[in-house]
Amino acid sequence: DGGITQSPKYLFRKEGQNVTLSCEQNLNHDAMYWYRQDPGQGLRLIYYSQIVNDFQKGDIAEGYSVSREKKESFPLTVTSAQKNPTAFYLCASSTARLGGNEQFFGPGTRLTVL
Amino acid sequence: GENVEQHPSTLSVQEGDSAVIKCTYSDSASNYFPWYKQELGKGPQLIIDIRSNVGEKKDQRIAVTLNKTAKHFSLHITETQPEDSAVYFCAASFTGGFKTIFGAGTRLFVKA
Repeated sequence: DGGITQSPKYLFRKEGQNVTLSCEQNLNHDAMYWYRQDPGQGLRLIYYSQIVNDFQKGDIAEGYSVSREKKESFPLTVTSAQKNPTAFYLCASSTARLGGNEQFFGPGTRLTVL
Repeated sequence: GENVEQHPSTLSVQEGDSAVIKCTYSDSASNYFPWYKQELGKGPQLIIDIRSNVGEKKDQRIAVTLNKTAKHFSLHITETQPEDSAVYFCAASFTGGFKTIFGAGTRLFVKA
């Protein structure tokens, strides 16, 4: 059963702590993405990766870091430098083919900073 | 930079009525226009998409139209049902592009 998974579903963090959100896909997709979603603001791109060991900053990369050591995995670290980290985080993947690309989304992780 | 504007932000309709959501994009290179539905607490899911060589596409109760000259595309839902209540996002991307630009979303309420 192919799909994209994120864990945990809910995450609580104290101010000043780094936290890592997991994203795994078994769709054999080359491209993976991280988005942040705040109420009424749609999806904002944090980082994306087109291929293993390569990734690019999106529109709001400050305070976040990623790695892409395996095709299946694209973890996101929310660092203490991120001023306003409480949000819903979505991971997605897509094929790297010409003609546009449907993105498959995970169920999301809701991060709350206490 | 690239931008996708989506209207309205909130839409309330009576069950059985039609709902229309409109989007405008800025990047003339865009040629792929997906629509996603997001239910509460879940990730978005693709419901329909259209490519620039087509003006309209239908799938049962949903349809999408595209006007490339005006850079407009719209989602039409007919015979709405309570389970259509969700947030809908339009988006735009282009051939070989890895980045998709999303609209801000429309919260649709279907009243029984």
